[in-house]
Amino acid sequence: QVQLVESGGGVVQPGRSLRLSCAASGFTFSSHAMYWVRQAPGKGLEWVAVISYEGGNKYYADSVKGRFAISRDNSKKTLYLQMNSLRAEDTAVYYCARDESGGSYSAIDSWGQGTLVAVSS
Amino acid sequence: QLVLTQSPSASASLGASVKLTCTLSSEYSRYAIAWHQQQPEKGPRYLMKVDSDGSHSKGDGIPDRFSGSSSGAERYLTISSLQSEDEADYYCHTWAPWGFGGGTKLTVL
Repeated sequence: QVQLVESGGGVVQPGRSLRLSCAASGFTFSSHAMYWVRQAPGKGLEWVAVISYEGGNKYYADSVKGRFAISRDNSKKTLYLQMNSLRAEDTAVYYCARDESGGSYSAIDSWGQGTLVAVSS
Repeated sequence: QLVLTQSPSASASLGASVKLTCTLSSEYSRYAIAWHQQQPEKGPRYLMKVDSDGSHSKGDGIPDRFSGSSSGAERYLTISSLQSEDEADYYCHTWAPWGFGGGTKLTVL
């Protein structure tokens, strides 16, 4: 079955950087677009970024554009999120998620368990 | 601009039915959406995709009590025979462009 396991979260000071990873298994990773979605404490879900199945197309929420970078290594079946210039408002649980489509974009159909990022001095 | 609007809260009695609504902004009124459930202290779970014609496809293991439908720019999630474990937050989302609704907190009385 589909498994997505995030790692790399933790406590970081404002202005610093952090890289999240998401290890995928149970499906053909290289055939699916992948997402990062976050949830601030007590708040709703917020789409952060999406990357196409081959990595050539990337899209970002305005709130993270220019600071975050999504990437993937299909040979390692791993998704990444490089987060730079972190702010207090980036504090959230970050979820890795899979797009159901094998080609164009479609619904998120699988989620990881999430990793907590806390930005605090 | 893409906006998905959900009522902040809903409630219904154990064993009853409830219909949750996600409204797409007019420019995107023909878009499909997906519904996700988030039980307290847990990660989200995919429930189903709902197309503009009302057809829907559910995720693996989603009970028959959950169904989807559409009318114009509104997408619905209906839960029948409500059980205590259905008490959760429910989110809709769409793609290209991407966004989530604010979520509906469902209370089972």
